[in-house]
Amino acid sequence: AQSVTQLDSHVSVSEGTPVLLRCNYSSSYSPSLFWYVQHPNKGLQLLLKYTSAATLVKGINGFEAEFKKSETSFHLTKPSAHMSDAAEYFCVVRTGGFKTIFGAGTRLFVKA
Amino acid sequence: NAGVTQTPKFQVLKTGQSMTLQCAQDMNHEYMSWYRQDPGMGLRLIHYSVGAGITDQGEVPNGYNVSRSTTEDFPLRLLSAAPSQTSVYFCASSSPGQGEAFFGQGTRLTVV
Repeated sequence: AQSVTQLDSHVSVSEGTPVLLRCNYSSSYSPSLFWYVQHPNKGLQLLLKYTSAATLVKGINGFEAEFKKSETSFHLTKPSAHMSDAAEYFCVVRTGGFKTIFGAGTRLFVKA
Repeated sequence: NAGVTQTPKFQVLKTGQSMTLQCAQDMNHEYMSWYRQDPGMGLRLIHYSVGAGITDQGEVPNGYNVSRSTTEDFPLRLLSAAPSQTSVYFCASSSPGQGEAFFGQGTRLTVV
């Protein structure tokens, strides 16, 4: 069975400081993993994806994530937060076939 | 590129009314799905389709119907709206395998 756990419902950082959003997954098969971002009252935008190539994945807007199989983790990071990064972030797992499973989301607040 | 198009963007219904949320995609994707998004719960799968003429239930199907007569369209019907169906609804499409899903902009539904 697949599942996704986002370890923090809310994260607050100051502008210019690093961002870490944590995600653990459970999957019986080799998963594909994704991070999506949702700005207030907007749709879902793909930030980055891991599909069994390089374990360090770079995405848009300076975000990156590292796939760690031994830890079943796929944490999202950014070296320096910007005010425009304030949004909700979703970790998502897919293991071929159809099923796409969402985490509950992490809301990122960025303080000036 | 239109991608995934949902209509309407906003809707207010009275309890007991019925309506159809429309979803269309122009990427020739086999898989289409409907999710609802509620605070703190991520996106939960309502119904999905793996091709024209084939649909199945997801995690929270009660009170909703779907059909898939063409590859492009996947409407979601609310049979008798209830306040518990107040939510934001997203339609998504994807190809078989482990690539990402593409999302519409969402429909914000309020049932009073």
